[in-house]
Parts: sequence; structure tokens; C-alpha cells
Amino acid sequence: QVQLVQSGAEVKKPGASVKVSCKASGYTFTSYDINWVRQATGQGLEWMGWMNPNSGNTGYAQKFQGRVTMTRNTSISTAYMELSSLRSEDTAVYYCARGYCSGGSCSDYWGQGTLVTVSS
Amino acid sequence: SYVLTQPPSVSVAPGKTARITCGGNNIGSKSVHWYQQKPGQAPVLVIYYDSDRPSGIPERFSGSNSGNTATLTISRVEAGDEADYYCQVWDSSLWVFGGGTKLTVL
Repeated sequence: QVQLVQSGAEVKKPGASVKVSCKASGYTFTSYDINWVRQATGQGLEWMGWMNPNSGNTGYAQKFQGRVTMTRNTSISTAYMELSSLRSEDTAVYYCARGYCSGGSCSDYWGQGTLVTVSS
Repeated sequence: SYVLTQPPSVSVAPGKTARITCGGNNIGSKSVHWYQQKPGQAPVLVIYYDSDRPSGIPERFSGSNSGNTATLTISRVEAGDEADYYCQVWDSSLWVFGGGTKLTVL
């Protein structure tokens, strides 16, 4: 069965970087885009960007341009999202999600989420 | 940027029909997807391409989209349907989410 398993919770200081991993199984990793979405406590969903695991092509939301990098290691079917220059407002649960609809425009399987806490 | 507007909350009695709207400029020209999120859990896709249901989603969940409003309809509401619901579209090569609607089952 399709699974996306994310890395564990992280605590970071302001100004630091965090790298979250998302290991895919149960399907051909390079056949579906990976999207990243985050959610601050008590808030709504916020899309960060997408990555095509086959080509490595990416697209980022303007809000995160220059601070986010999405990469992959196809040999271990794992996608990564790195966010730099962290600030307290980046405290949130970060989700990876498999692109399903045309162009990856919706997601059918989601990871369990990774809590990133930014605190001095 | 494209904006999706959802009511913050909708309340419904068990066994009744809940309708959650998602407003956007000419949203009928876009494909709308809906996610259900229960506390402490990841979102679950319940409707895609306006009205298609993924396998495993009950037929009680349906969707429509026309003009400036898309609607998620949940028939014969159950206590287990209590959750946050988000609409989402793909616009100008990026995802846009609505602000979410909390469905309360009375």
C-alpha cells in the first residue's frame, strides 16, 4: 500500500535551517510529484511547493522563494524539504503529499506530518 | 493571487445534509478538490475534480462547481464527519487553499 513516512519532530533556533524527509513506498516514486504543505497550530493549510522526483524540477510558492529547497534521492525513494533562515512563524506541522490529479494538482496520499518548532 | 473563501463554521444535526461552500472568482472554470482533516491527523482527499470520489470515500460525499461557488455536500451526516474541510484549486502553477470550514455535528 502507498505510504509516505516523514522524519521526526525538530526543534530549531531562529536563523537555523531544517531538512524534513519523506520516504515513499508502495508505488513508483518517480511517477508522481511530491507537494509540501504546512499548517501552523490552529491555522489552515498552506502550500509551499512541488517537486517532480523524476526530473528534479521544482516550483515554489512565492512566499518561500529563496528560503525553501526541495530535493530527492531516487535510490531510496525519498523526498526532502529544506527551509532556511527559520523564524518563529515557521513553527508548524509540515506535510508531504503525493500528487494525484493532472499535473499533481491534488494529493491522494499524505505523510503523517513533521512538527518543526522554532524557538530560542 | 487567487482567493478561495469558505465559511468558518457549519453546524448540522445527525442524519441531515451539510453543505460547505467555497467561493472564488469564476471558480466554475477550475477543478476543485476537497480535503477532510480531523484533529491531529493529516488531510484526506474526499472529492477531486469537482465531484469525483476517491476509493473508500462514502457516496454520502458529493461535490459540485459552477459560477463563483463550489459546494461540498455531505448527506446523512454522521458524528464521524465532524472535521475541518478545505477546498483547493490549482491556479497559475500553484495550489490555493480555502481558509477551511469546521463542520460541527450537533
